[in-house]
Amino acid sequence: DTAVSQTPKYLVTQMGNDKSIKCEQNLGHDTMYWYKQDSKKFLKIMFSYNNKELIINETVPNRFSPKSPDKAHLNLHINSLELGDSAVYFCASSSRSYEQYFGPGTRLTVT
Amino acid sequence: QKEVEQNSGPLSVPEGAIASLNCTYSDRVSQSFFWYRQYSGKSPELIMSIYSNGDKEDGRFTAQLNKASQYVSLLIRDSQPSDSATYLCAVNGYGQNFVFGPGTRLSVLP
Repeated sequence: DTAVSQTPKYLVTQMGNDKSIKCEQNLGHDTMYWYKQDSKKFLKIMFSYNNKELIINETVPNRFSPKSPDKAHLNLHINSLELGDSAVYFCASSSRSYEQYFGPGTRLTVT
Repeated sequence: QKEVEQNSGPLSVPEGAIASLNCTYSDRVSQSFFWYRQYSGKSPELIMSIYSNGDKEDGRFTAQLNKASQYVSLLIRDSQPSDSATYLCAVNGYGQNFVFGPGTRLSVLP
């Protein structure tokens, strides 16, 4: 069974569109995260959710919004997509030890 | 601005040798330290976590932490070609505020 799963794996869309990426974890973890990894492979945290409350909101545009319907899910909504949003987006989850387990990633390409 | 620095590499070592990967961090209140391995096109995979000064061993991997020097390292003994990947150092302060380093690319030559 996959511990952290994301859908879709690939997402190709045009500028200005709105898209969502879904994430689910079956590890029973309390905290989930979204990361962006750009073309230079730099991994940067975007959001963190603990028990359905936003803990960290890094300096990301407000076009990005996390939505957590329950502890096992953290979805990422992106409005008015821009070329610079093209990247790989990783979902992760962690227990209280802060050891994070990552999903397989979603490669977003904005044309 | 909290920073985590690593040599980008590539670090090349022959098969069977010890690979030494280094990481420094700027935030003195950092509490938790992690090493992740990322193969090309794949997601980061947790290798080691370390929370207190000293060494922590797990199989061929040893993590070393020195909070006074703000330094954490990862040693890989008996390096194998399958160890060739990018190694990411991650640092966590209070709460869920993780900062990742840029990664060191390791190449183990057969």
